[in-house]
Amino acid sequence: GAGVSQSPSNKVTEKGKDVELRCDPISGHTALYWYRQSLGQGLEFLIYFQGNSAPDKSGLPSDRFSAERTGGSVSTLTIQRTQQEDSAVYLCASSLRTSGRYEQYFGPGTRLTVT
Amino acid sequence: AQSVSQHNHHVILSEAASLELGCNYSYGGTVNLFWYVQYPGQHLQLLLKYFSGDPLVKGIKGFEAEFIKSKFSFNLRKPSVQWSDTAEYFCAVKGNNRLAFGKGNQVVVIP
Repeated sequence: GAGVSQSPSNKVTEKGKDVELRCDPISGHTALYWYRQSLGQGLEFLIYFQGNSAPDKSGLPSDRFSAERTGGSVSTLTIQRTQQEDSAVYLCASSLRTSGRYEQYFGPGTRLTVT
Repeated sequence: AQSVSQHNHHVILSEAASLELGCNYSYGGTVNLFWYVQYPGQHLQLLLKYFSGDPLVKGIKGFEAEFIKSKFSFNLRKPSVQWSDTAEYFCAVKGNNRLAFGKGNQVVVIP
C-alpha cells in the first residue's frame, strides 16, 4: 500500500519568508509525527498528533514553528520568518497509535534550504 | 526524557566482515527499542524492534540486536556484511509518545 508521502521534496526559500511543509500519512494511522534531521543535531522530535490534537508541542524549537492536522489525516508544518538555522530535512512519520509498540513509518522528507 | 548514545559514528569495513554497532539508552519507563536504517537517497526504514520477551531480536537482511537490560544496551549485529549494507544506522528508544534517536552510525562497506 501507499506509504507516508511528503511535499515538496525540496524547498529553497529566502531568509524571512514563510514555508509550509505537507505530510500525508498512511491511511488509517491516527498518530502523526514530525522530526527534523540536520547535520549538527541529528534526528530531533518536533511534535506529534493523536487524531487532530497535538498534546505536546514542547519539541518545537521556537514560536515560529507551528503545525496542524485536519480530518485526522494531512498535516502541515509551518515555519514563519525562516532563518538559516532552519535548514534541515523535515521528516514526517505515522503509526496506528501513539502508545506502546506501534512502529513509526517514515516519509522521504522535505529538504529545506534557507538562503 | 529519554536519550540514546551511539558510538563510532563512522565505520568502514570490507565485505564479509562482521559488524557490531553499539547503542546505549536512558529511559525510566517501559522500554521500546528500535534500529532504523537509511540507505543512500532513501528514507528511514525499520530494521528491527524490541518490546518484550526474547532479548535477542532478529530483523530484516540478516541483522539482529540484543537487549541487555543491565547494561541499558541494544547493540546491532550482522555476521557478514555486504556492499549493499552501506547506510546510516540509527538506534531509537520510544517514550513519551515519541522516538529519541542516537546520532547514527555511518557504515561504509568496501567491496
